[in-house]
Amino acid sequence: EAGVAQSPRYKIIEKRQSVAFWCNPISGHATLYWYQQILGQGPKLLIQFQNNGVVDDSQLPKDRFSAERLKGVDSTLKIQPAKLEDSAVYLCASSGPGEKLFFGSGTQLSVL
Amino acid sequence: EDKVVQSPLSLVVHEGDTVTLNCSYEVTNFRSLLWYKQEKKAPTFLFMLTSSGIEKKSGRLSSILDKKELFSILNITATQTGDSAVYLCAVASPSNAGGTSYGKLTFGQGTILTVHP
Repeated sequence: EAGVAQSPRYKIIEKRQSVAFWCNPISGHATLYWYQQILGQGPKLLIQFQNNGVVDDSQLPKDRFSAERLKGVDSTLKIQPAKLEDSAVYLCASSGPGEKLFFGSGTQLSVL
Repeated sequence: EDKVVQSPLSLVVHEGDTVTLNCSYEVTNFRSLLWYKQEKKAPTFLFMLTSSGIEKKSGRLSSILDKKELFSILNITATQTGDSAVYLCAVASPSNAGGTSYGKLTFGQGTILTVHP
C-alpha cells in the first residue's frame, strides 16, 4: 500500500517570498490534515479536510496561509508571504475511519 | 483548549536499560490516546488506547491508559540504539463542523530518547 506522498522534501526561501507544498494521501482516505512542527515541539494542526470540505482551520494563520483540496484527493498548502517564524517541518497526514493518522515524510521549510 | 503534556522532555540511557515515558492530558470529549515514534520527520504509529487498564504490547514496547487520572505511559524494555527517536503522545477528540463530528489529534511536545551503546 502506498503511503502519504509529500513534495518537496526541502525548501529554502527568503522572507516575504511565497511557497507551496503538495500532498497526496493514501488512496481512499477521506480525511486529510496539515500539521506544522517547529523544532523541539510537537506537531500542531493547521487545517483538516473531510473530502474537499474544511472541518477545522482554527489554528491556520489565514492572513498568510491557505490550503485547498479541490477534488477531495490531493491537497496544497501555500504560504504567502513567508515569515522567519514559518521555518518548520510541514507534515501531511491522512486517515480513514477512526483516529489513526498516517503521516508523510514532511517538507522542511527554512525561511531566511 | 485541549492539552497534552509529556515528560520527561529528554532522556539519555544505555542499551539494555528500561525507560518509562509519561503523557498526561486534558481534553474535551476524549476518544483515544495514540503513541507515535518519530525518527527524522515522519511519525510512525505505535499504539492506540481507548480503554483504561488494558495493556497494549508490541515486542519490547508496551503502553497503558488510565482514563480516571488522565494519563498514559509508554514502557520500553531492553532498549537498543534503534529506539533513539522522539516519542509523541496524541489525544483524539472531535472536530465539529456543522454539527457533524470528525476526529482530530492534539499532540504533546514529545520526549527525545537517546540510547547509547
